[in-house]
Amino acid sequence: DAKTTQPNSMESNEEEPVHLPCNHSTISGTDYIHWYRQLPSQGPEYVIHGLTSNVNNRMASLAIAEDRKSSTLILHRATLRDAAVYYCILKRTIQGAQKLVFGQGTRLTINP
Amino acid sequence: GAGVSQTPSNKVTEKGKYVELRCDPISGHTALYWYRQSLGQGPEFLIYFQGTGAADDSGLPNDRFFAVRPEGSVSTLKIQRTERGDSAVYLCASSQGASYNEQFFGPGTRLTVL
Repeated sequence: DAKTTQPNSMESNEEEPVHLPCNHSTISGTDYIHWYRQLPSQGPEYVIHGLTSNVNNRMASLAIAEDRKSSTLILHRATLRDAAVYYCILKRTIQGAQKLVFGQGTRLTINP
Repeated sequence: GAGVSQTPSNKVTEKGKYVELRCDPISGHTALYWYRQSLGQGPEFLIYFQGTGAADDSGLPNDRFFAVRPEGSVSTLKIQRTERGDSAVYLCASSQGASYNEQFFGPGTRLTVL
């Protein structure tokens, strides 16, 4: 499985935008970029995914580099409830390759 | 609607005992996954079911671990002869089955082996 690299931790202030980076230099053409987050004492929660184009949903935006070797999860206006560990995951679409391979993720702290 | 549920939420057992952990996926989801998460680590894949069959069990650490999903809905993860190193949070997830669809996770079962 292709590997992703994320900073161990980041800190931001409430109501400010947050940009969470992810490097995936060995990404293959069939890999989708998925982001999940895990709030304290909960299971992971899907945030967003994309292949080549930038994506937006109600939770966040995903900006994907043109060469696909990196991506950035953008929280437009962080709240205290966004404090979590954020995981960037590459997921193959081929039959049988369904599992998520989690790394260490980025622990995001939001200051009031 | 109801999400993925897992029971029990906490399980404390003694080394050498047998435990069963249950997962109730979202109704209609054909794919079901088990992961385990040790303290300070990301979740680690164990096994994936598509319907009743295990499509990928490459993450099961050894033959003490076994999982079933006899009717294609509820799944049970079974651990024989538990060891202290089995202590972790065991997470279950389900999805509609397509390879790109999001996985919905339950709250997990915290297993402590004394």
